[in-house]
Amino acid sequence: DTAVSQTPKYLVTQMGNDKSIKCEQNLGHDTMYWYKQDSKKFLKIMFSYNNKELIINETVPNRFSPKSPDKAHLNLHINSLELGDSAVYFCASTQGNGELFFGEGSRLTVL
Amino acid sequence: AQSVSQHNHHVILSEAASLELGCNYSYGGTVNLFWYVQYPGQHLQLLLKYFSGDPLVKGIKGFEAEFIKSKFSFNLRKPSVQWSDTAEYFCAVKQGGATNKLIFGTGTLLAVQP
Repeated sequence: DTAVSQTPKYLVTQMGNDKSIKCEQNLGHDTMYWYKQDSKKFLKIMFSYNNKELIINETVPNRFSPKSPDKAHLNLHINSLELGDSAVYFCASTQGNGELFFGEGSRLTVL
Repeated sequence: AQSVSQHNHHVILSEAASLELGCNYSYGGTVNLFWYVQYPGQHLQLLLKYFSGDPLVKGIKGFEAEFIKSKFSFNLRKPSVQWSDTAEYFCAVKQGGATNKLIFGTGTLLAVQP
């Protein structure tokens, strides 16, 4: 059983489109994250939710909107995609000690 | 603001060589420390972690790391690397307290030549 699963794994789309990435964890964790990994492998935190409440929002453009319908799910919706949004987006979860469990990543390519 | 520095961006070693990757952080309070590994095309996996106690921690696959509080460092070591250790290695730090924010270093790409 995959502990943290993301869909889709690959996403290719045109500039200006809107797309969503979904994440689910079956670990019973309270906290979930979205991280962005750029082409240089740099990992930057975007958002964190704890029990469906937004607790970290790292000055991400408001074209990015996370949604957490319950504590096991954290989705990421991106409006008006730009070239610079091309990256691998990782979902992760934790029970609070900082040890993160990562999903396999969703590679977004904006053309 | 808290930061995590990994000074080696790219390391190339031959098999059986010893490895040490540096990690320094800027936060002065209580921290939880981590090393993650990302094999080519894969997600990040935990190698080892330090919360408290013995500052020398052992992780999977023969890796270990030493927390030196006075130097704000948490260097990763392995006595003898293998080709399969080729990967990107990330140091990460979480501040003590209520926040669940994990800050990652910029990563070190290790290439092991057979």
